[in-house]
Amino acid sequence: DVKVTQSSRYLVKRTGEKVFLECVQDMDHENMFWYRQDPGLGLRLIYFSYDVKMKEKGDIPEGYSVSREKKERFSLILESASTNQTSMYLCASSWRGPEETQYFGPGTRLLVL
Amino acid sequence: AQSVTQLDSQVPVFEEAPVELRCNYSSSVSVYLFWYVQYPNQGLQLLLKYLSGSTLVKGINGFEAEFNKSQTSFHLRKPSVHISDTAEYFCAVRRFSGTYKYIFGTGTRLKVLA
Repeated sequence: DVKVTQSSRYLVKRTGEKVFLECVQDMDHENMFWYRQDPGLGLRLIYFSYDVKMKEKGDIPEGYSVSREKKERFSLILESASTNQTSMYLCASSWRGPEETQYFGPGTRLLVL
Repeated sequence: AQSVTQLDSQVPVFEEAPVELRCNYSSSVSVYLFWYVQYPNQGLQLLLKYLSGSTLVKGINGFEAEFNKSQTSFHLRKPSVHISDTAEYFCAVRRFSGTYKYIFGTGTRLKVLA
């Protein structure tokens, strides 16, 4: 069974803090993705990575950065958290082919006060 | 560019009744089509996907979807729903080539009533 784990289920941070969200997959997938999920907006892609140290911006990269130093780990960084970044963050991974299924982690619900 | 429209944000239905969740997409190139389900407090998991061949695709938990190229639709159906089907359902598309990106719809919340 594919397993995608995220470091925290719930996180509370203060405005201006630097926040790290970690994602680890155990299936040797090439692709990894970070989404944020907001009511009525569905899933929006923040960043994705198709290989170690490789990354591409998604649809809403502003205020975020990512790091992929190892194949199994993909980190999302909020450089200076703001209240409008309060959201559910979902990590996913997949094999490289376009027909491939994405496997999702359980999500991290982030509250920025 | 691709886009996905899920026309219904919420669908209430009684237990054992049939249900159809609608998905329309827009794309100038060929795409793969997916339906994912998100149960409360969980991540998304794949229900089914259309890659090629037969336009009727069967998935897990008794769900099926039909690809209609002329209407650019990929509606999800189940002949008889259970309380446990209460969840949010997302339609998604991905181009055959040129990008790793998936485009997700805004989701349909299915509420099954006893």
